[in-house]
Amino acid sequence: EADIYQTPRYLVIGTGKKITLECSQTMGHDKMYWYQQDPGMELHLIHYSYGVNSTEKGDLSSESTVSRIRTEHFPLTLESARPSHTSQYLCASSESSPMQETQYFGPGTRLLVL
Amino acid sequence: AQSVTQLGSHVSVSEGALVLLRCNYSSSVPPYLFWYVQYPNQGLQLLLKYTSAATLVKGINGFEAEFKKSETSFHLTKPSAHMSDAAEYFCAVSQGFQKLVFGTGTRLLVSP
Repeated sequence: EADIYQTPRYLVIGTGKKITLECSQTMGHDKMYWYQQDPGMELHLIHYSYGVNSTEKGDLSSESTVSRIRTEHFPLTLESARPSHTSQYLCASSESSPMQETQYFGPGTRLLVL
Repeated sequence: AQSVTQLGSHVSVSEGALVLLRCNYSSSVPPYLFWYVQYPNQGLQLLLKYTSAATLVKGINGFEAEFKKSETSFHLTKPSAHMSDAAEYFCAVSQGFQKLVFGTGTRLLVSP
């Protein structure tokens, strides 16, 4: 079944640790996105990718980095986690053809940095 | 730049009552508009989208939305609320190149 997956779903970690949030999709989509969502707030785009070896920064500045070595995989990394990184991170993907603006979302990773 | 405004951070209705969630957009070009629903501890699920075809768009779970250019609105409605409709609802507009701008969300509360 075509879907988009995120692991872990929940992560509690100490300050200064390096973390990687995983996102994979089996829908064959070229475009992928990372959003940050604080409780009760809107989503803010922090990274996106048009395809393999393409990464762009989004509208909200983030200390995280991303990579796109394979079409189906778009991991997000924080080199040194801080309490200010506590948030929910949502991954999404979409087709690259014109008129196909719909983004499909994963279940999210809820990150708590102590 | 495109933007959306969702009026009301919380809307409360009784089960069986009409649901109306408001969304106004700002766009310098014909917009693509979306409504997504988010259940607790889950990602976003697409309810419906407007892509310049019919102005009345029908979505899943009995929801529909009407695009009104003169009012720059894209309000979400459902004739009869169900308890399972309780969730957070987000309106979004496409900025082009498939970048979405989301509203702040409206939490729908449904009472028995």
